[in-house]
Amino acid sequence: EAGVVQSPRYKIIEKKQPVAFWCNPISGHNTLYWYRQNLGQGPELLIRYENEEAVDDSQLPKDRFSAERLKGVDSTLKIQPAELGDSAVYLCASSTNGLAGGIEQFFGPGTRLTVL
Amino acid sequence: KNQVEQSPQSLIILEGKNCTLQCNYTVSPFSNLRWYKQDTGRGPVSLTIMTFSENTKSNGRYTATLDADTKQSSLHITASQLSDSASYICVVSDTGGFKTIFGAGTRLFVKA
Repeated sequence: EAGVVQSPRYKIIEKKQPVAFWCNPISGHNTLYWYRQNLGQGPELLIRYENEEAVDDSQLPKDRFSAERLKGVDSTLKIQPAELGDSAVYLCASSTNGLAGGIEQFFGPGTRLTVL
Repeated sequence: KNQVEQSPQSLIILEGKNCTLQCNYTVSPFSNLRWYKQDTGRGPVSLTIMTFSENTKSNGRYTATLDADTKQSSLHITASQLSDSASYICVVSDTGGFKTIFGAGTRLFVKA
């Protein structure tokens, strides 16, 4: 069975440019998470979806970040415009249950973003 | 404030030796605690998960302990291997399922 798929794996852009990340969760997983992980730190939740509904986006910087999961399967995270401080690894995870912490999350390999 | 603190920040050990990583948390009300292993350039992979009533759980050479009274957990690695070199992240969730807090991780280096 395929795990969580993310693309691209690496992205280098100049500041003020837009960028988008794509995630395809494990088949059958209703819950999808986007995290940002800075170097030497643990992941920080940006947004959590239950099917197509964003149930927790309190940590998403909505002035420049947006996300969608239109059909409740794959998801896209966008940054526009990117800033130098956005350089990080963006991780996608999925799980089978609606509770944010009750069920194991399976992570993708991440997208490493470098903003120059 | 819900927090998860891990120590040490980094650790270097020789292959074959044992080591113990620590995790202290203030997440309340507590639901479960997980340890993840994250290899460089990869996403985290779950090693163990423990609920309030569990004191210890093993996964091969990895043994996690939990003291819910003192809000402390440890991850013990036995007979370390070069492939154990990774970051180990402690993750704590509350009972409502609304908050999952990740620690900063312990970076382990196993040397030959």
